[in-house]
Amino acid sequence: DVKVTQSSRYLVKRTGEKVFLECVQDMDHENMFWYRQDPGLGLRLIYFSYDVKMKEKGDIPEGYSVSREKKERFSLILESASTNQTSMYLCASRHDTSGRSSYNEQFFGPGTRLTVL
Amino acid sequence: AQSVAQPEDQVNVAEGNPLTVKCTYSVSGNPYLFWYVQYPNRGLQFLLKYITGDNLVKGSYGFEAEFNKSQTSFHLKKPSALVSDSALYFCAVRDERGNKLTFGTGTQLKVEL
Repeated sequence: DVKVTQSSRYLVKRTGEKVFLECVQDMDHENMFWYRQDPGLGLRLIYFSYDVKMKEKGDIPEGYSVSREKKERFSLILESASTNQTSMYLCASRHDTSGRSSYNEQFFGPGTRLTVL
Repeated sequence: AQSVAQPEDQVNVAEGNPLTVKCTYSVSGNPYLFWYVQYPNRGLQFLLKYITGDNLVKGSYGFEAEFNKSQTSFHLKKPSALVSDSALYFCAVRDERGNKLTFGTGTQLKVEL
């Protein structure tokens, strides 16, 4: 069975802290994604990676960075957390059979609800 | 730029009645269209997708969606709603040449007895 796991379901941090959100997939997928979900705004793409050590900015990358050292793991980093980064963070992965463009669906993790005080 | 509109924040339906959740899209090329469902405190689950071919797509849990190119719509439907269908539904689109999936803002479906 397909599985995407995220390191924490709930996380509370203080303004200015460095925050790491971890995501692991066990499906050998090439593509991995980080989204944030906010009421009324849907899901917005922060960063994605189509291969190890490769990354591309999504629609809202400001204040975030990512790391993909191994194929199965994709980390989202908040260098200095701020209150406006309080949100639900969702990781996803996708098998890519034909390079960077694919019609395959994404598989999502359960989400991490981050609160920054 | 590609975009998705889900015009209804919430849809209320009585159990046993048919349901429709609306979605319209905008892309520059041929669209790949998806529906996902999110139950409370869970991640998103894939329901169905349209890539090419038959305009009526069947998916999980008895859901189906109809692709209409002239109206640029991809409405989600189910002939008979269940209370357990109550959840948040997201429509998403990707251009066939692109790699990024754009999501709508979501529609909360509430099915009552």
